Amino acid sequence: GESVGLHLPTLSVQEGDNSIINCAYSNSASDYFIWYKQESGKGPQFIIDIRSNMDKRQGQRVTVLLNKTVKHLSLQIAATQPGDSAVYFCAEGYSGTYKYIFGTGTRLKVLA
Amino acid sequence: GAGVSQSPSNKVTEKGKDVELRCDPISGHTALYWYRQSLGQGLEFLIYFQGNSAPDKSGLPSDRFSAERTGGSVSTLTIQRTQQEDSAVYLCASSLASGRSADTQYFGPGTRLTVL
Repeated sequence: GESVGLHLPTLSVQEGDNSIINCAYSNSASDYFIWYKQESGKGPQFIIDIRSNMDKRQGQRVTVLLNKTVKHLSLQIAATQPGDSAVYFCAEGYSGTYKYIFGTGTRLKVLA
Repeated sequence: GAGVSQSPSNKVTEKGKDVELRCDPISGHTALYWYRQSLGQGLEFLIYFQGNSAPDKSGLPSDRFSAERTGGSVSTLTIQRTQQEDSAVYLCASSLASGRSADTQYFGPGTRLTVL
């Protein structure tokens, strides 16, 4: 299974810089994708989602990009803040099923 | 409530004891999931409830694990004769399950279970 915990890949960014977190998904039939943020000691928090009929979706300070050709998803965080420090992971699902496939998490560290 | 709630937030128990973990989903959400998150591991699917349908128990790791959902709302995950390897964070999620497409799962804060 995927690993979320001690041995996660880590991305360190300077406060104020933009962050890009990547996720490779596995199922070409997946048509729904979500990014979650998980702070230490808390449950995963929904950030943003995107359906397969789109290739870009923007939220507040966050943008999700979907490249179906290479099965790649990315989360961009603008002007990264200390409160953005957390583990981020993606999930994929598709119509007709209720189970998600959860991606490997990435730990984001924001340096002051 | 506004979100998924879980209780207790922390549970410390002795090996061999039974524990019950509770999940209160978002009002109106018909689908409810239990996951386990162990240190160094990703989210492990345990069980899924949808309305009055038979639950999908395919993820339960052993017959010591069981779950119920009463009245289509609150769910209880029970672990009998706990073992040290059961120590983990148990997460509950709910979704609207409109049936038209994949739905967003919203997670609770989790219950951290420690088996001594």
